[in-house]
Amino acid sequence: EAGVTQSPTHLIKTRGQQATLRCSPISGHTSVYWYQQALGLGLQFLLWYDEGEERNRGNFPPRFSGRQFPNYSSELNVNALELEDSALYLCASSLNGQLQETQYFGPGTRLLVL
Amino acid sequence: TQLLEQSPQFLSIQEGENLTVYCNSSSVFSSLQWYRQEPGEGPVLLVTVVTGGEVKKLKRLTFQFGDARKDSSLHITAAQPGDTGLYLCLGSGAGSYQLTFGKGTKLSVIP
Repeated sequence: EAGVTQSPTHLIKTRGQQATLRCSPISGHTSVYWYQQALGLGLQFLLWYDEGEERNRGNFPPRFSGRQFPNYSSELNVNALELEDSALYLCASSLNGQLQETQYFGPGTRLLVL
Repeated sequence: TQLLEQSPQFLSIQEGENLTVYCNSSSVFSSLQWYRQEPGEGPVLLVTVVTGGEVKKLKRLTFQFGDARKDSSLHITAAQPGDTGLYLCLGSGAGSYQLTFGKGTKLSVIP
């Protein structure tokens, strides 16, 4: 069974540009979570999608947005990139978004903003 | 915002030693999960604890959830080089879907 996949693996952008990151959950999972892992800040919760709807978002500005498609894959968009957005962006999926469910993580997209 | 403090931030020990990693908060969590992350990979779930006072064992790893569900510990017995990695705790907030990760404990086990 394929795990969570993310693309691209690496992304280099310049300040002010937009970045789009993609995630495909494990087959049968309806919930997708996005996290930012920046140096010194640990893993921070960004967004949670379930059944195509945004269920919750972390403490990030509106230029971080995303969506979930009918096939449950998801996109994270970061507009007006800033240097501080350089980080590893991790996507995770779970069966149906219930508390205490196991989240399965993808390998991440490493974003570098120059 | 619920905060999870992990300690120590870094830990370097010799193979065969024991160690304990802590995850503390002033907030109550409905559940707490421990993950291990290796370089270049996403975190992998080790255990989920739900009940206050719960103790779970996974081979040489012992996990405990505090009675008040505000803290947790991970104890590793006779550490091995394969235990090297970043250990993260993830708390799910009581009553609503709030997810909080600790900053992690970076463990190095030296052969």
